[in-house]
Amino acid sequence: DAGVIQSPRHEVTEMGQEVTLRCKPISGHNSLFWYRQTMMRGLELLIYFNNNVPIDDSGMPEDRFSAKMPNASFSTLKIQPSEPRDSAVYFCASSYPGQQQFFGPGTRLTVL
Amino acid sequence: AQTVTQSQPEMSVQEAETVTLSCTYDTSESDYYLFWYKQPPSRQMILVIRQEAYKQQNATENRFSVNFQKAAKSFSLKISDSQLGDAAMYFCAAKSGGGADGLTFGKGTHLIIQP
Repeated sequence: DAGVIQSPRHEVTEMGQEVTLRCKPISGHNSLFWYRQTMMRGLELLIYFNNNVPIDDSGMPEDRFSAKMPNASFSTLKIQPSEPRDSAVYFCASSYPGQQQFFGPGTRLTVL
Repeated sequence: AQTVTQSQPEMSVQEAETVTLSCTYDTSESDYYLFWYKQPPSRQMILVIRQEAYKQQNATENRFSVNFQKAAKSFSLKISDSQLGDAAMYFCAAKSGGGADGLTFGKGTHLIIQP
């Protein structure tokens, strides 16, 4: 199994641009999580899905952030418009319900 | 909701020695899980050990063990026979219930292994 796949691994963009981060969960896992890691705030849960349905998006910082899971094998996290304070490492993780979460390698986002 | 506190931003230990990383948590849940994750410079998040709150026995995985004090809401990680490859950030995390809830992380402890 390839594990959780995230793309791109690195993204550099300019303020105001739209950014789309992508995640492919481990096949068969029906829970998917998006986390953000910054020096100031540490690791924070942004949103998670069960069976492709968003369950808790209370961690999404503001309306500029949106996440979708159109099918069991793909999810996106979109930031529009991006701001320098969005610079962080974004992790996707997947699991069977109640089981260990497996993390992807993360996407390092830099907004200039 | 849970909160997780790691009071040691950085710890240093000699190779082959034992080190203990501290973690305290707060939760209103009766059913919850606790975890330690390792994050090396590659930034990959690696599960080290997990503890179910309903289990009294402390979890152990090879050189890694926990001291779970439920009443004190304490969950420390002990690393025995420290190795250079143990150098990393270590995060304590909590999750409520047995369902698919997200993890709440502490701020992490940077572990340095002195050769």
